[in-house]
Amino acid sequence: NAGVTQTPKFQVLKTGQSMTLQCAQDMNHNSMYWYRQDPGMGLRLIYYSASEGTTDKGEVPNGYNVSRLNKREFSLRLESAAPSQTSVYFCASSEGSSGRAGELFFGEGSRLTVL
Amino acid sequence: ILNVEQSPQSLHVQEGDSTNFTCSFPSSNFYALHWYRWETAKSPEALFVMTLNGDEKKKGRISATLNTKEGYSYLYIKGSQPEDSATYLCAFIPRDTGRRALTFGSGTRLQVQP
Repeated sequence: NAGVTQTPKFQVLKTGQSMTLQCAQDMNHNSMYWYRQDPGMGLRLIYYSASEGTTDKGEVPNGYNVSRLNKREFSLRLESAAPSQTSVYFCASSEGSSGRAGELFFGEGSRLTVL
Repeated sequence: ILNVEQSPQSLHVQEGDSTNFTCSFPSSNFYALHWYRWETAKSPEALFVMTLNGDEKKKGRISATLNTKEGYSYLYIKGSQPEDSATYLCAFIPRDTGRRALTFGSGTRLQVQP
């Protein structure tokens, strides 16, 4: 049972380049999330999707776009990467019935460096 | 932006010591509180999901209490072991329907010396 799978695990970009982080879960969860983790700041919510076909902004959405492709997959896109987006990105999912978040299950993280 | 605060920021204890840390959150808009354990080079894993005032949860040597009226939760570790070394995160879910996802505190980093 893979749980939550993120790719790639590591990526180095130049300023202005674009890239997409992929996330897939095999637990039939309704809700999926993207967080970023920066030193001293804990986990900050970028975007979330309470159910297939819906997405909502979190605390720090600027510079990112998301797509909930189907119930399994939730991707995060950086259209024009900036050094401030250097971070570790975590995808997570939860059962989240009726839009309420249950326990989160996290992927292994994707370390992104923007030069 | 929701204010979820954890204290202390870090803690060093000796093996066998018992310890506790605090998470504070907006009491007027409470729906649920989660605790997560995050070991270095791994992903966060859920410890407890707490929804009712007065909730007490326990998993082995780790337990948590919840006071929604005053807006705080305590996490206790009895007889700390080196394998308890990790960052402990709390996460708050507000009741209002505008935000359904968790807001995390910045965590308490625990180091247990053998």
